[in-house]
Amino acid sequence: DAGVTQSPTHLIKTRGQQVTLRCSPISGHKSVSWYQQVLGQGPQFIFQYYEKEERGRGNFPDRFSARQFPNYSSELNVNALLLGDSALYLCASSYSGGALEKLFFGSGTQLSVL
Amino acid sequence: SQQGEEDPQALSIQEGENATMNCSYKTSINNLQWYRQNSGRGLVHLILIRSNEREKHSGRLRVTLDTSKKSSSLLITASRAADTASYFCATSDSGTYKYIFGTGTRLKVLA
Repeated sequence: DAGVTQSPTHLIKTRGQQVTLRCSPISGHKSVSWYQQVLGQGPQFIFQYYEKEERGRGNFPDRFSARQFPNYSSELNVNALLLGDSALYLCASSYSGGALEKLFFGSGTQLSVL
Repeated sequence: SQQGEEDPQALSIQEGENATMNCSYKTSINNLQWYRQNSGRGLVHLILIRSNEREKHSGRLRVTLDTSKKSSSLLITASRAADTASYFCATSDSGTYKYIFGTGTRLKVLA
């Protein structure tokens, strides 16, 4: 079975632009979470979605938005990009997003904002 | 902001030695998990310990949890060059579904 897939793997944008990152969870997993990882730090929680509903949101500005589709895939959108948005964006899936479930991560999208 | 702090930030050992890394966190938790990350790519789950457990083993891994001190440790025995990676603890806040990751320990195992 395929793991969590993310696209694109790398992306270069300029300040002020908008970006959309995509994630396909493991088959059968209904929950998708997004994390931002700045170089040298641990991942920081952005969103969790379960059954197309937002279940949780981290401390990120409204420029960050996400959605989950009926097939449980997900998109993360970032508007009005800032230099500080340069990071590795990780998607993780789990069956139901419950508190005792382990997360399965994709390889990430490396976003560079110039 | 990061909930957990890993200690040490970096660790370099010889193949065959044991590696110990520690994690401290701030709030009540449902469980604590450890993940490994190779070369800044996706994280891989290693082990989960519930808040009512004190110790757990998985192969060469041993995890302890002390909820009174809000701390955990990960021991990797008989380390191999392939264990070279960054290791992160992650905690799930009681009552929430989000995981909060620590700052990570960069382990280098020298052959």
